[in-house]
Amino acid sequence: GAVVSQHPSRVICKSGTSVKIECRSLDFQATTMFWYRQFPKKSLMLMATSNEGSKATYEQGVEKDKFLINHASLTLSTLTVTSAHPEDSSFYICSAGLSYEQYFGPGTRLTVT
Amino acid sequence: SQQGEEDPQALSIQEGENATMNCSYKTSINNLQWYRQNSGRGLVHLILIRSNEREKHSGRLRVTLDTSKKSSSLLITASRAADTASYFCAWRSNSGYALNFGKGTSLLVTP
Repeated sequence: GAVVSQHPSRVICKSGTSVKIECRSLDFQATTMFWYRQFPKKSLMLMATSNEGSKATYEQGVEKDKFLINHASLTLSTLTVTSAHPEDSSFYICSAGLSYEQYFGPGTRLTVT
Repeated sequence: SQQGEEDPQALSIQEGENATMNCSYKTSINNLQWYRQNSGRGLVHLILIRSNEREKHSGRLRVTLDTSKKSSSLLITASRAADTASYFCAWRSNSGYALNFGKGTSLLVTP
């Protein structure tokens, strides 16, 4: 149980375009989901916390207009990277909260050319 | 920043040897967890130690926690080549829900 999926696992997009990443809790409902970003050989940095039906809470330094987060249902949160630039290339990992535990998705590798 | 320190940043050992990784954090915590990440892959939860625990074992893993020093260590005994990965500590502060991650240790185990 407590499986979290992400789609796509890899995506390549051109500069200036937008890309959407989905995070789904497959066998449980998650009122809270988290988005992390990881640069190569670095640790995970929390970007934002999203609660179902309300606006996401962004960490300091994360542009909310660039990284749009929608948590429309108890099993789905989406992260949209708008007007992507090469510096947005990174590994994005989501997690879903259940009973005060967090379960992580497998990550999405974004490459912006 | 909530990010803590981990040392060493990189560790290279031979199969059969023990690997010890340390983690320091900055806030009061509810619990501390260790995760493993193979290159370019997702996280695998290894072990959780609560703030009122000092030591915990799971198979070849041994974790210690010293809340007075805000530090934890992960010991992998009798390492195997398959243990090659990055290891991260993560903690949840008493006032938060999200996990904060340490900088990680990259472990290389050579046959």
